[in-house]
Order: sequence, then C-alpha cells, then structure tokens
Amino acid sequence: KQEVTQIPAALSVPEGENLVLNCSFTDSAIYNLQWFRQDPGKGLTSLLLIQSSQREQTSGRLNASLDKSSGRSTLYIAASQPGDSATYLCAVRGGNKLTFGTGTQLKVEL
Amino acid sequence: ETGVTQTPRHLVMGMTNKKSLKCEQHLGHNAMYWYKQSAKKPLELMFVYSLEERVENNSVPSRFSPECPNSSHLFLHLHTLQPEDSALYLCASSQDRLGNEQFFGPGTRLTVL
Repeated sequence: KQEVTQIPAALSVPEGENLVLNCSFTDSAIYNLQWFRQDPGKGLTSLLLIQSSQREQTSGRLNASLDKSSGRSTLYIAASQPGDSATYLCAVRGGNKLTFGTGTQLKVEL
Repeated sequence: ETGVTQTPRHLVMGMTNKKSLKCEQHLGHNAMYWYKQSAKKPLELMFVYSLEERVENNSVPSRFSPECPNSSHLFLHLHTLQPEDSALYLCASSQDRLGNEQFFGPGTRLTVL
C-alpha cells in the first residue's frame, strides 16, 4: 500500500526566502507525481505534474524534482511571497489512484 | 477557475435527510472522481468513473451513492449520514484515468448534525 509523507507539516518563513518542501513515498512504481496548492476551505489547484520518466518540472518561481528510485520529491519555491501562503499537497499516481500526503502548511510573513 | 464546478458549496443536513452533491466539468474529460477530505487526514479517493462507468469504489459505505449520467456530470447522493461524514467533498476530472493531471473543483463543505 502506497504511503505518502510530507515534511515539515508546517512552515513559517519571512518574505523573500527560498524554501524547500519535501515529499516521500514508499512504492516507487508510480506513473507520475503531482504538486497541488490548497487555500483554506477551497479546492486544489494543480501546480506541477512530473511524469515518472522526468526528473524535474518548472513553472515560474516553482521547481519540482523527482527521484523515483529513492521515493522522493521536492518542491522549491524561490523568493517566497505572502500570496504563497497555503497548504501544499503532493500526490503520487499508481494505477487509477492518486495517493495524497497530509500536506505542508506554509505561511509567508511580511 | 479550473473548469470544474461543484454545487452546493456548503451543505448542512440532519442524519435523516437525503441530499445530493453535483459536479460538472467543462474540460471535455472522460474520467471523474469523488474525494473526501477530513480534518488532519489525507484526501481519500471514494469513487472513479471513466466514460460514465464506475471503475473503482474504495470501500465506501452504501449511504454514499454516486451517479454519472454523462461524462460531464457527476453526482454524489447522500442518505442517512453520520456526523463523522462531515468533511470537504472534492470532485476532480482528468482526460482519462491513466496517469493524466487531475483538475479539482472548489469542494462542498458538508456538515452532518
């Protein structure tokens, strides 16, 4: 059974810092890994999708990497802004199913 | 806007009520999903539909009954729920069920009294 862990559970940083969110998974037989953002009480917004054959994906200030063999992914956020405050979820796709982590709650302070 | 809409956004119901959640996607996708998000727990997949056919049911109690009349619409019919069913219910869609990016709706916040 796939298990996804995200560390840290919560993170508070001053504006402008570069930061790294971590995601690990137990079963490396995945199709892809997806990073999402969730604002309080809202749905999920897809940020980046990395296929199992890829090593990384970039979108603006976000960069996600994938090391399938070690069961790890990182989401790098450059020059953080208060608008980046949200919960960040990673999810791995195996078969029909996306398995989610419990998320990292990020707060970027002025 | 992700192209996936859900109604209602908030719902309060008693344990003896019957209600339905609605999801609509405007993306031309063929697969749709229901997820449950409870406090402090990871999202749990409830149901998967592909081309209007249910392809996965993750041991969900029968008091939750999904319906997919066409590839753009998905319903979750609720009856005789329990307080522990209170959660955020999220709908998602993808081009097909094999490895494509999933797009989520805003969710329905359900409270069962």
